[in-house]
Amino acid sequence: GAGVSQSPRYKVAKRGQDVALRCDPISGHVSLFWYQQALGQGPEFLTYFQNEAQLDKSGLPSDRFFAERPEGSVSTLKIQRTQQEDSAVYLCASIAGTRQETQYFGPGTRLLVL
Amino acid sequence: GENVEQHPSTLSVQEGDSAVIKCTYSDSASNYFPWYKQELGKGPQLIIDIRSNVGEKKDQRIAVTLNKTAKHFSLHITETQPEDSAVYFCASQGGPNNAGNMLTFGGGTRLMVKP
Repeated sequence: GAGVSQSPRYKVAKRGQDVALRCDPISGHVSLFWYQQALGQGPEFLTYFQNEAQLDKSGLPSDRFFAERPEGSVSTLKIQRTQQEDSAVYLCASIAGTRQETQYFGPGTRLLVL
Repeated sequence: GENVEQHPSTLSVQEGDSAVIKCTYSDSASNYFPWYKQELGKGPQLIIDIRSNVGEKKDQRIAVTLNKTAKHFSLHITETQPEDSAVYFCASQGGPNNAGNMLTFGGGTRLMVKP
């Protein structure tokens, strides 16, 4: 594909509902990142995959957040029992390799928890 | 962990003027510093980056400078145009011991270029 794609672009959830956010990285990209961007702030790291291995999940705010990338391509970020403080834009980024390279970001999923 | 501070949070300039955004970082092991532009409703887009073995890099109207001793880096946009209006983020990435290669972002600068 031409770039990183994410779906859905917008999601409204009722408090307590589970949500799943999808990221399709650039084809062939080895590394994938998830970031959370609160309104008016910079993105904050959530978790990192190298192929299917989740090498760093230190940024996940609670055990309600779970991410997977079972086949080393598409990734899903799942949030269980959503809370209002989970409202944010969730960004996905990918890089071709595993070292310092340009991170290409998707358009993000805007999550609103009511 | 790494901490990145960015100033100013908002910047308003007249079309044709220059704009400067400054960032400081805390981890001396950081060695990659990208700058991203984010327009409303879109993801961040890389506009320029610099690595720690370089002090300055320029790409047309955009330049970035890095002072590793002082741990700060700056974005310079010359001859600003209305389409430069957006939120700009600086970021840093750690050295070889940063296995995750994650980026640490500053808080962002909202640049407004007035026609």
